[in-house]
Amino acid sequence: SQQGEEDPQALSIQEGENATMNCSYKTSINNLQWYRQNSGRGLVHLILIRSNEREKHSGRLRVTLDTSKKSSSLLITASRAADTASYFCATVQAGNNRKLIWGLGTSLAVNP
Amino acid sequence: GAGVSQTPSNKVTEKGKYVELRCDPISGHTALYWYRQSLGQGPEFLIYFQGTGAADDSGLPNDRFFAVRPEGSVSTLKIQRTERGDSAVYLCASSLAIAGGPAGYNEQFFGPGTRLTVL
Repeated sequence: SQQGEEDPQALSIQEGENATMNCSYKTSINNLQWYRQNSGRGLVHLILIRSNEREKHSGRLRVTLDTSKKSSSLLITASRAADTASYFCATVQAGNNRKLIWGLGTSLAVNP
Repeated sequence: GAGVSQTPSNKVTEKGKYVELRCDPISGHTALYWYRQSLGQGPEFLIYFQGTGAADDSGLPNDRFFAVRPEGSVSTLKIQRTERGDSAVYLCASSLAIAGGPAGYNEQFFGPGTRLTVL
């Protein structure tokens, strides 16, 4: 079963612009993770944010988490053509701290 | 070091046949996960191993699906009497420990997947 929904489903921007993707989920979580998937490298972990954290940064990535709204956002700043990929959020549910429950993903195209 | 590897990369089979998909996790990773991903969808959890035992197999769709990890390292996902609806990319991931552990232990490292096509 899918836990989350990403918004938008597809996003097309120019190189250098920022890209923002949102994720909503349904149940209480232990943590939320963002992954990137492209045909060349498969699924790659980007960043993890725990339920007691509100914001995290990693390089050009900024993730926020609002547990009251059950939502998260991923911001990619100064995008590059190499950022073209599908981005998924995945949650580890509170009390069931094993499997990842995934959203449907956002397809990002960064045009040179 | 070596990442998660999966074999075969592609498998084409006929409806009703039996298939085995293999996953080699990162050395030292105690947790191993199987997911299935259909076109245009996010991955869907199938089963999770902690060591040799299946800690959570709630995602296996039915009793045609079975997975083992006899020595706590390599895992095999077995599908009996395959159906066309089983066609998908089967992903394996491993991690150092169960989710919820110390920071940095939750990241799952994914293999490239096995694309299964049932004709």
